[in-house]
Amino acid sequence: SYELTQPPSVSVSPGQTARITCSGDALPKKYAYWYQQRSGQAPLLVIYEDIKRPSGIPERFSGSSSGTMATLTISGAQVEDEADYYCFSTDSSGDDRVFGGGTKLTVL
Amino acid sequence: EVQLVESGGGLVKPGGSLRLSCAASGFTFSNAWMTWVRQAPGKGLEWVGRIKSTPDGGTTDYAISVKDRFTISRDDSKSILYLQMNSLKPEDTAVYYCTTNLRDWGQGTLVTVSS
Repeated sequence: SYELTQPPSVSVSPGQTARITCSGDALPKKYAYWYQQRSGQAPLLVIYEDIKRPSGIPERFSGSSSGTMATLTISGAQVEDEADYYCFSTDSSGDDRVFGGGTKLTVL
Repeated sequence: EVQLVESGGGLVKPGGSLRLSCAASGFTFSNAWMTWVRQAPGKGLEWVGRIKSTPDGGTTDYAISVKDRFTISRDDSKSILYLQMNSLKPEDTAVYYCTTNLRDWGQGTLVTVSS
C-alpha cells in the first residue's frame, strides 16, 4: 500500500521558520494537502493542492512541492502553531488515499 | 457557515454493528462529496471512505481495512451522511470524523469496540 513519510517531530523557537516535509512516490503527479490538529481538536485544513491556503489561514502558512517531497512552511512560527501536522495525498492511480504519520511541531 | 455534527458513537462488542450519522448544514449537501476519517486513540488519521454526490453518481470507495464491513450512504433530503459499521473489531476503536471531502470537519464521535 502507498505511504507518505513525515518526520515524527520538529522543534523551533518562536519566530523561527518551521518546515515539515512529506515524502511520497506519487507526489510529482498528485497534490498534497496539509492539516493542523491541535490537542483535543478536529483537524483543520491549512494548505490544499500543494500551495493554496484556505481563507482564514494565516499567511505565515505556505506549501510547496518538488519531486517526491511536499513541504509545509510556517514562517515566524508562533506558540499557538504547536500541534500535530498531517499531509494527505493519493497514489498515482488515485485509488489509495493516505495520510502521513503526522509530525508533532513544538514551538518553545 | 459549514456545520457537521456526528452522532451515534458508543461502546459495542466485537462482531457487533453501529451506525454513525453526520448532520450537515451551511452548504448544499446534495452537491457535496463526503468523506469519513478515523483516528485511533493516540494515533494518526486514517481515511475510511468516501461517497460522491448524487449528481456525480453517488458511488462509494473504501479503505481496504473496512471494505465489505462498512457502508457509507447519504440522505440528501435530510442532509445526513451515514456510516454503517458491521463486524466491528477492537482495531476499529477510534474517533470518527465526517468531512466535506477533507475540507471541513466535524468534531467527531468516539466508537469503542470492546468486550
